[in-house]
Amino acid sequence: QVQLQESGPGLVKPSGTLSLTCAVSGDSISSGHWWSWVRQPPGKGLEWIGEIYHSGGTNYNPSLKSRVAISVDKSENQFSLKLSSVTAADTAVYFCARMSMVGGTFDSWGQGTLVTVSS
Amino acid sequence: DIQMTQSPSTLSASVGDRVTITCRASQSISSWLAWYQQKPGKAPKLLIYKASSLESGVPSRFSGSGSGTEFTLTISSLQPDDSATYYCQLYNSYPWTFGQGTKVEIK
Repeated sequence: QVQLQESGPGLVKPSGTLSLTCAVSGDSISSGHWWSWVRQPPGKGLEWIGEIYHSGGTNYNPSLKSRVAISVDKSENQFSLKLSSVTAADTAVYFCARMSMVGGTFDSWGQGTLVTVSS
Repeated sequence: DIQMTQSPSTLSASVGDRVTITCRASQSISSWLAWYQQKPGKAPKLLIYKASSLESGVPSRFSGSGSGTEFTLTISSLQPDDSATYYCQLYNSYPWTFGQGTKVEIK
């Protein structure tokens, strides 16, 4: 059974870069799934950030594309998120998730990690 | 981008009630719609994909229907464990987009 675990700083300063890693266990990151990041501001809804394939191919939400970079590390079976020039509006719980093999839906999720943007 | 509108935003119902949540898309998305359940402090859980296909392990009291622009999630007999927020999600085209959510409360 696949498990995903997010890790990274819980506090980032405004204008800084948010960096998170998602460690995958129970499945290979090269298994043919796409791997995504989704975020949820406190008390609000879900926003898809972007996704990556093991080959390094990516798709990003246009609303964040200029500030987002997602990368994959096949040797460590993990993928990472970088979000630059953060503001308080980027404060959210960040989830990593596995996309279903048929595409488009999120069939497994990490527990989520809260990142607060504050000085 | 295609916009998703969920209704109602909150509903309160009794155990055993039939509950329906609606999701409308601003343009046709065929059947490329999923439903998720999220409990406080937890990650979302996939319930339904391709508008009406039940994810493995999900109780049969959950069902989905619709195509094009209007979709519904139905809980046939509401249980205490169903207290949660439910989100629809389109996946016919990028960006993958979620509805605003419907909070289901038990009376």
